[in-house]
Amino acid sequence: EDQVTQSPEALRLQEGESSSLNCSYTVSGLRGLFWYRQDPGKGPEFLFTLYSAGEEKEKERLKATLTKKESFLHITAPKPEDSATYLCAVQALGAGNMLTFGGGTRLMVKP
Amino acid sequence: GAVVSQHPSRVICKSGTSVKIECRSLDFQATTMFWYRQFPKKSLMLMATSNEGSKATYEQGVEKDKFLINHASLTLSTLTVTSAHPEDSSFYICSARDLRVDGYTFGSGTRLTVV
Repeated sequence: EDQVTQSPEALRLQEGESSSLNCSYTVSGLRGLFWYRQDPGKGPEFLFTLYSAGEEKEKERLKATLTKKESFLHITAPKPEDSATYLCAVQALGAGNMLTFGGGTRLMVKP
Repeated sequence: GAVVSQHPSRVICKSGTSVKIECRSLDFQATTMFWYRQFPKKSLMLMATSNEGSKATYEQGVEKDKFLINHASLTLSTLTVTSAHPEDSSFYICSARDLRVDGYTFGSGTRLTVV
């Protein structure tokens, strides 16, 4: 059974304080790993897709990396507007379009 | 990028009534759409996969007679919660795969409250 575990569950940062969010996964074969941002009362907003170990993608203050067992979302010099819940999901080979989500990390950035 | 529109954003209904939630792909055709349910401070749980022109595929434990899914066109899928009860209160979110991008696009969600 595919499993996705995100840590920490919640993270409080001061503005400008860089940090990383972790997504550990267990899957029979990885087709893709996805990162999403979700604001309260809204649907998830797509950030990145990673396909193979060693791959990295960047968008503004965010950088996602992937190994064979986990992915990290690095946030550099965060701003209050980066406060949100960050979700990680995996898509397994042979699972069609099904995504398995982790529990998310609630990020709060204080000014 | 791909846009998925979900309506309504919030709905309150009485126990025993039915509620329909619409999910539209605005700028692309979606042969497959997905319906998720999310409880407060919890992650998304896939309920069913909606296939245009055919029956939906439901995940284990999801009652197909309670959560009716119709995908009559390439741009519209609907989820009807039948004979709603308070335990059906939740945040329902639809999603679609746009082949032009390498990710899945989600709707803005529907907050259902059954009183």
